[in-house]
Amino acid sequence: AQSVAQPEDQVNVAEGNPLTVKCTYSVSGNPYLFWYVQYPNRGLQFLLKYITGDNLVKGSYGFEAEFNKSQTSFHLKKPSALVSDSALYFCAVRDTYSGAGSYQLTFGKGTKLSVIP
Amino acid sequence: DVKVTQSSRYLVKRTGEKVFLECVQDMDHENMFWYRQDPGLGLRLIYFSYDVKMKEKGDIPEGYSVSREKKERFSLILESASTNQTSMYLCASRPLRNGANYGYTFGSGTRLTVV
Repeated sequence: AQSVAQPEDQVNVAEGNPLTVKCTYSVSGNPYLFWYVQYPNRGLQFLLKYITGDNLVKGSYGFEAEFNKSQTSFHLKKPSALVSDSALYFCAVRDTYSGAGSYQLTFGKGTKLSVIP
Repeated sequence: DVKVTQSSRYLVKRTGEKVFLECVQDMDHENMFWYRQDPGLGLRLIYFSYDVKMKEKGDIPEGYSVSREKKERFSLILESASTNQTSMYLCASRPLRNGANYGYTFGSGTRLTVV
């Protein structure tokens, strides 16, 4: 089965500084990778995805992610952090096919990002 | 915008009760999913359904069942609630056909407490 790992439970960064939230993956075949964000007491919101193409993927709210095949990583980045970016971030990988061409996502354990004013 | 609606934001139930968590989506998505979210464990897949009346077990189906009688509605059932089922439950959906977004749309979650 496919899997992702988020090695950091928590990341703290000062407002205005660049941020990185790390994700590594393990897949057989081509990886389909996603980042989601969860604000307190809310569901998850889609940020961006990598399916194929450019290794630098741009997403919502100024976030981007860098796909690195040799390091099997898909780190989430933002050049200048905002206090409002404080949230829980999940990396996910598309898992195996099920019935009728469907699939499910397997999620990492999440990384709590705190942006300090 | 796609909407995935979970009927309750907060729910408190007693041990042994039968509990129904409801999820409705309004964009004719074929696939629907139930996850539970626990601190330090992330999201774990309970059940999913790839079409009406079709269901498959996820990673942690024990103690749960599901129902998908209509395309827009996917219900999670706790047959006899236990305290270890206290958790945040998240419903999600996605279309079967490939599109610009291969990901899910999530509901806001139901925080269930079993006492």
